[in-house]
Amino acid sequence: DIQMTQSPSSLSASVGDRVTITCRASQGIANYVAWFQHKPGKAPKSLIYAASSLQSGVPSKFSGSGSGTDFTLTITSLQPEDSATYYCQQYNIYPFTFGPGTKVDIK
Amino acid sequence: EVRLVESGGGLEQPGGSLRLSCAASGFTFKTYNMNWVRLAPGKGLEWISYISSSSSSVYYADSVKGRFTISRDNAKNLLYLQMNSLRAEDTAVYYCARDDLYEKFKVWGQGILVTVSS
Repeated sequence: DIQMTQSPSSLSASVGDRVTITCRASQGIANYVAWFQHKPGKAPKSLIYAASSLQSGVPSKFSGSGSGTDFTLTITSLQPEDSATYYCQQYNIYPFTFGPGTKVDIK
Repeated sequence: EVRLVESGGGLEQPGGSLRLSCAASGFTFKTYNMNWVRLAPGKGLEWISYISSSSSSVYYADSVKGRFTISRDNAKNLLYLQMNSLRAEDTAVYYCARDDLYEKFKVWGQGILVTVSS
């Protein structure tokens, strides 16, 4: 199975900050990576697919990049509503696997 | 409006069975592949199963293989997850998610809680 790791596991940033989350796959997965935002009690929300394509309706403050084994999610102009856990997921090979998540808090 | 609504969760004893349903509306269900994903307390998201639009292909995570069965009824716009031999570690919120060709897990249900405890 393909293992997905994320760093950091958590971060605390201020309103207006730019934050970057890193995701690494245990083997090459081309660009078959998605990013999700999850808030407690809510359904996960898809932000990015194909490593860098923004889901419709998602603000452009979210962006993704990478290919092969290394991927990043960047959030610019951090706002209180961005407080959530963010997950990467590979969908290159079954079983699809998620990273362990990055919890983002607002200072 | 595109919607997925899960049902069938609840409290079950270890070793017991439950069947989850996911009702789809607002889109042509029979043309989409579907998935189940779960979130256990204190853990991260875990993909557990996939079924193709025609039910010709199914896949499972190792953690549920042999115990869970995914199926669908395209005439009723329903996705199912039959869960047998339940364990305490199966306690989680279970989500169904639509598998779009390019946008992948674009649409999710609101989730349903399954608790396995004696």
